[in-house]
Amino acid sequence: RKEVEQDPGPFNVPEGATVAFNCTYSNSASQSFFWYRQDCRKEPKLLMSVYSSGNEDGRFTAQLNRASQYISLLIRDSKLSDSATYLCVVNGFNDMRFGAGTRLTVKP
Amino acid sequence: NAGVTQTPKFQVLKTGQSMTLQCAQDMNHNSMYWYRQDPGMGLRLIYYSASEGTTDKGEVPNGYNVSRLNKREFSLRLESAAPSQTSVYFCASSAQGAGNTIYFGEGSWLTVV
Repeated sequence: RKEVEQDPGPFNVPEGATVAFNCTYSNSASQSFFWYRQDCRKEPKLLMSVYSSGNEDGRFTAQLNRASQYISLLIRDSKLSDSATYLCVVNGFNDMRFGAGTRLTVKP
Repeated sequence: NAGVTQTPKFQVLKTGQSMTLQCAQDMNHNSMYWYRQDPGMGLRLIYYSASEGTTDKGEVPNGYNVSRLNKREFSLRLESAAPSQTSVYFCASSAQGAGNTIYFGEGSWLTVV
């Protein structure tokens, strides 16, 4: 079993749609959680951290469920510019463990 | 603000050749990392360095060596390249401690034929 698992997608949604991604992790001792965004042939960049109480940044909402060991990302009012791959990241013992990513395409 | 700079951006090697990927960061970070990214596999840690003078193996260290030359620079060496090492390599850095943002270089596309 992979340490961090994501649905690879692709998710194809129209502009203005709401879309949600989930990510599960296997290490119950994990402490830090993040969502990164990666555009095609570019480096990953931090989208947002995920806090225990859940957090919001504009159209993006992240949630953590420690009991079920998953984190989620909700994108409201999708824009064309949201098209990218979204990586779930979980802090391991001494390093970050990355999911393989969920690919999102927002269409006009 | 350069952030993390890695070179070269593209490289084609023949099986058995050696090469070094260079990485430098200007953010005064203690921790530096080398990842490889393959389709469907996500980013996998090759080696990391928690501070100047220390290096540790990650998930996939076989076939690679690293050098933390100083606080700024962390190089990755392929001693005898194999086709299985065809990948995109990312150098990254972060402030020390769990939960700190990792900043990535732009990536190095390596093909071994």
